[in-house]
Amino acid sequence: KAGVTQTPRYLIKTRGQQVTLSCSPISGHRSVSWYQQTPGQGLQFLFEYFSETQRNKGNFPGRFSGRQFSNSRSEMNVSTLELGDSALYLCASSPGLGGQETQYFGPGTRLLVL
Amino acid sequence: AQKITQTQPGMFVQEKEAVTLDCTYDTSDQSYGLFWYKQPSSGEMIFLIYQGSYDEQNATEGRYSLNFQKARKSANLVISASQLGDSAMYFCAMMVGTSYGKLTFGQGTILTVHP
Repeated sequence: KAGVTQTPRYLIKTRGQQVTLSCSPISGHRSVSWYQQTPGQGLQFLFEYFSETQRNKGNFPGRFSGRQFSNSRSEMNVSTLELGDSALYLCASSPGLGGQETQYFGPGTRLLVL
Repeated sequence: AQKITQTQPGMFVQEKEAVTLDCTYDTSDQSYGLFWYKQPSSGEMIFLIYQGSYDEQNATEGRYSLNFQKARKSANLVISASQLGDSAMYFCAMMVGTSYGKLTFGQGTILTVHP
């Protein structure tokens, strides 16, 4: 079974631009979570989607948004990029059946904002 | 709020030796899950082992075992017979029952295995 895939793997943007990252979950998984990883703040939860609905959200500004499609693929968008948005963005998928399910991560997208 | 604390920024171990990575947690929820992930330099997070708060037996997965002490709120990872490929960052994480899809991570421990 194929794992979680993320595209693109690397991205360079300039301040003020916007960016869209994509995540395809493991086949059959309906829950997708997004995380931001930086050296200073560590791993922080952005949001989680299940059946095209956002069920949970972390403490990030409204510039960070996401969505999920009917095939469970998810995208996250960051508008008006800031230097501090440079990070590794990880998505993870799980079946979405409830409880504390194991999340399986993709390889991540490394975003550099200049 | 939930919190995970990993007090060891870095650990060194000789190949074939066992090593314990410490993790303490804090939550007021009775239902929660504890996870350990490995992150090599490539960046991908690899799931290692899971322990549920109601599980009475310590979890084991091959060379990985989780030393779960509920009263002390600790969930230490034990890696037996270390291999050079075990060199990586290790994260302890928690998910509580009421929080959809949200893992709370510790700061991580860098493990270096010496030949």
